[in-house]
Amino acid sequence: SQKIEQNSEALNIQEGKTATLTCNYTNYSPAYLQWYRQDPGRGPVFLLLIRENEKEKRKERLKVTFDTTLKQSLFHITASQPADSATYLCALVEPGGFKTIFGAGTRLFVKA
Amino acid sequence: SAVISQKPSRDICQRGTSLTIQCQVDSQVTMMFWYRQQPGQSLTLIATANQGSEATYESGFVIDKFPISRPNLTFSTLTVSNMSPEDSSIYLCSVDGTGDTKNIQYFGAGTRLSVL
Repeated sequence: SQKIEQNSEALNIQEGKTATLTCNYTNYSPAYLQWYRQDPGRGPVFLLLIRENEKEKRKERLKVTFDTTLKQSLFHITASQPADSATYLCALVEPGGFKTIFGAGTRLFVKA
Repeated sequence: SAVISQKPSRDICQRGTSLTIQCQVDSQVTMMFWYRQQPGQSLTLIATANQGSEATYESGFVIDKFPISRPNLTFSTLTVSNMSPEDSSIYLCSVDGTGDTKNIQYFGAGTRLSVL
């Protein structure tokens, strides 16, 4: 079955630097891949979606890449701010689009 | 987008009792999803609730333990029955967006359940 691997260790970076988070999956390529942000005590909030045939997607300070050969997505936050501190979840939508599988997330701490 | 209200936000329950979690959406949706999120782990789909039919449960989850109601297109409940400490978790409901946002999931704030 499909599995998603995200770095379980927290990522600590200095304000202003670029944060890069990794998402690897094990089996078939998904229809598309998503990134969500989750703050403590809240539900996940959608950030970006990238499709199988797209290499890169940007939204303001966020950038997502998708490499189906490596079975990997990278999520970048440029000019990071303390307010970016949160857990970031990678999610894959299976072909057919009915089921979403989530990774466990990576916790990001941005220090001022 | 969709706005989801979920309640209760948290509860502490005794072993052997049941808790019903409510999820209200501000628009009509076909499918509603119930997830469980244990500390440090990924969201695990419990079941998909369609209005007018039985919920579809994922492997490892059964209706007797997690009965679901879906009386209309904006509301659903999940009951955690005969609770044990292993049921302590965050329970989340979600819906798919529509139109341009149909590939996006919108989540409630979650219900943090502790079972003693």
